[in-house]
Amino acid sequence: GEDVEQSLFLSVREGDSSVINCTYTDSSSTYLYWYKQEPGAGLQLLTYIFSNMDMKQDQRLTVLLNKKDKHLSLRIADTQTGDSAIYFCAESRLTGGGNKLTFGTGTQLKVEL
Amino acid sequence: DAGVTQSPTHLIKTRGQHVTLRCSPISGHKSVSWYQQVLGQGPQFIFQYYEKEERGRGNFPDRFSARQFPNYSSELNVNALLLGDSALYLCASSSDRGHGYTFGSGTRLTVV
Repeated sequence: GEDVEQSLFLSVREGDSSVINCTYTDSSSTYLYWYKQEPGAGLQLLTYIFSNMDMKQDQRLTVLLNKKDKHLSLRIADTQTGDSAIYFCAESRLTGGGNKLTFGTGTQLKVEL
Repeated sequence: DAGVTQSPTHLIKTRGQHVTLRCSPISGHKSVSWYQQVLGQGPQFIFQYYEKEERGRGNFPDRFSARQFPNYSSELNVNALLLGDSALYLCASSSDRGHGYTFGSGTRLTVV
């Protein structure tokens, strides 16, 4: 199928860790991405992982990839109120002579004081 | 360096009209892609252009068309607008066809 799936909502307290999960479908995807979208704004690339990697860490962000289960997760350490946004995972897929991103439905992260 | 710029930022059109949305990629980026994001959903792929040629097309009707100019900027055209075309239209550029997409802030289209 075409669907990339994410849970719709996540609520955490400031200072806690957030874990956002995603399942994708195309085992041939070369890159998997996490984007952040704040209200009324475009998409901000947070991080990405190459499909032959299991883990990638970038400051407060940790990406875990389980290629066997087609499962991707984003962990945000020490979550802050500024992290409140919608987070999208996306997989890259070949399309003709190019490439397209297939996005999940997005997870709305709410950070409470 | 300027990021991906899109114009206009907001637009209101009437059903049946046509619309042209514009995108300027990051300097040096030769690939431009267009996505439609309906409220409450993730972006959906419409087109990709690389070196002025169409390299991919999503599941959108022929009312949607696009082109890329010699300076790598791009236009998305939508004819015979429907209420369901109301969405945020996002443009993304990359230096090649497969990786490193940077998105613009989008054009919010409202069809009434």
